[in-house]
Amino acid sequence: NAGVTQTPKFQVLKTGQSMTLQCAQDMNHEYMSWYRQDPGMGLRLIHYSVGAGITDQGEVPNGYNVSRSTTEDFPLRLLSAAPSQTSVYFCASTQGGLLEQYFGPGTRLTVT
Amino acid sequence: AQKVTQAQTEISVVEKEDVTLDCVYETRDTTYYLFWYKQPPSGELVFLIRRNSFDEQNEISGRYSWNFQKSTSSFNFTITASQVVDSAVYFCALSEARTITGGGNKLTFGTGTQLKVEL
Repeated sequence: NAGVTQTPKFQVLKTGQSMTLQCAQDMNHEYMSWYRQDPGMGLRLIHYSVGAGITDQGEVPNGYNVSRSTTEDFPLRLLSAAPSQTSVYFCASTQGGLLEQYFGPGTRLTVT
Repeated sequence: AQKVTQAQTEISVVEKEDVTLDCVYETRDTTYYLFWYKQPPSGELVFLIRRNSFDEQNEISGRYSWNFQKSTSSFNFTITASQVVDSAVYFCALSEARTITGGGNKLTFGTGTQLKVEL
């Protein structure tokens, strides 16, 4: 099993550009989430999904869109990148809401 | 609202010292789960332990031990005989059952404690 994979590992965007961060898992987990990690703030939940076709907002959803067309994939879209979105983004999955989450390796995004 | 506080921003110890990382949480739920994750310098997040609110038994796993006390809303983590490889950022996290049954698996993280173990 590859676990949770994320691409790209690094990305630099200019303000106003859009892009999609990819996340995939091969563990057949129903639950998937996106977090962002900023210095001194821990990880904060952006969006999450409890199954294919079902998504909901987390703590900091503004500026991001998600969709979940398959169990395996949960892409995160930045609609119009802003410097405030410079962060490290982690995707996570879990078999159940009460269980530990497995995290991908992260994507380091810089918006100039 | 749920909240996790890790008041220690950074701790430095010398190898073989014992070190305790503090975690204090706030929740209105009676059913919740607490977690510890480790983030080594390579950046990945590694799951260490999960504890539910009904199980206050302390746990020991090798050099790691966890002390869960509902009376003080704390879930502290101790490393015995620390090693350089323990150097990492450690995160405490909380998940409330009602947010789970409401359709989510939302983890609220503390801000992390940077542990530096030196020779």
